[in-house]
Amino acid sequence: EDQVTQSPEALRLQEGESSSLNCSYTVSGLRGLFWYRQDPGKGPEFLFTLYSAGEEKEKERLKATLTKKESFLHITAPKPEDSATYLCAVQPSGTYKYIFGTGTRLKVLA
Amino acid sequence: EAQVTQNPRYLITVTGKKLTVTCSQNMNHEYMSWYRQDPGLGLRQIYYSMNVEVTDKGDVPEGYKVSRKEKRNFPLILESPSPNQTSLYFCASSLSYRANTEAFFGQGTRLTVV
Repeated sequence: EDQVTQSPEALRLQEGESSSLNCSYTVSGLRGLFWYRQDPGKGPEFLFTLYSAGEEKEKERLKATLTKKESFLHITAPKPEDSATYLCAVQPSGTYKYIFGTGTRLKVLA
Repeated sequence: EAQVTQNPRYLITVTGKKLTVTCSQNMNHEYMSWYRQDPGLGLRQIYYSMNVEVTDKGDVPEGYKVSRKEKRNFPLILESPSPNQTSLYFCASSLSYRANTEAFFGQGTRLTVV
């Protein structure tokens, strides 16, 4: 069964304290892996798409990487405005549906 | 402004009373989908549509119906709502089902069924 698991469920960081969020997935094949950010009361906002193992993408303090079994979202020197829930989603091969993980709630303290 | 618009934002209804949540996008996107978000369960896809008149089930389609008669609109229909359909619902659209492009999400509809 296709599955996406995110860890940790919640993470508290001091401002400037770098860390990584994990997204592990079990699918028969991968069409794409997506990272989204969700603020309270709002819809998710797109961050990155990764397609193949070894791929990396960066945006400001965020960097996403992909292996054959998992993806990491690295947050370098986070700021309080990075506080949000970060969601990972995959689209398995042979299908056009999306499977989301339950997210990591990140809180960055000033 | 490019956007996905859902209506209503908030809805309280009674068990068994048919309702429709509307979703409209102004980006000429082919792919549209509906999700529900529940604490501890995350976002789960209900239905998706690859283009006009083409729809398919996601992971939790029971109790829901959809239609895609026009490219911009993708309404979600609950013919006989039950309390277990109380949830936060999101509509999303993306350029094409062929390319794994980003999805744009609406602001959400918080539905309570009593």
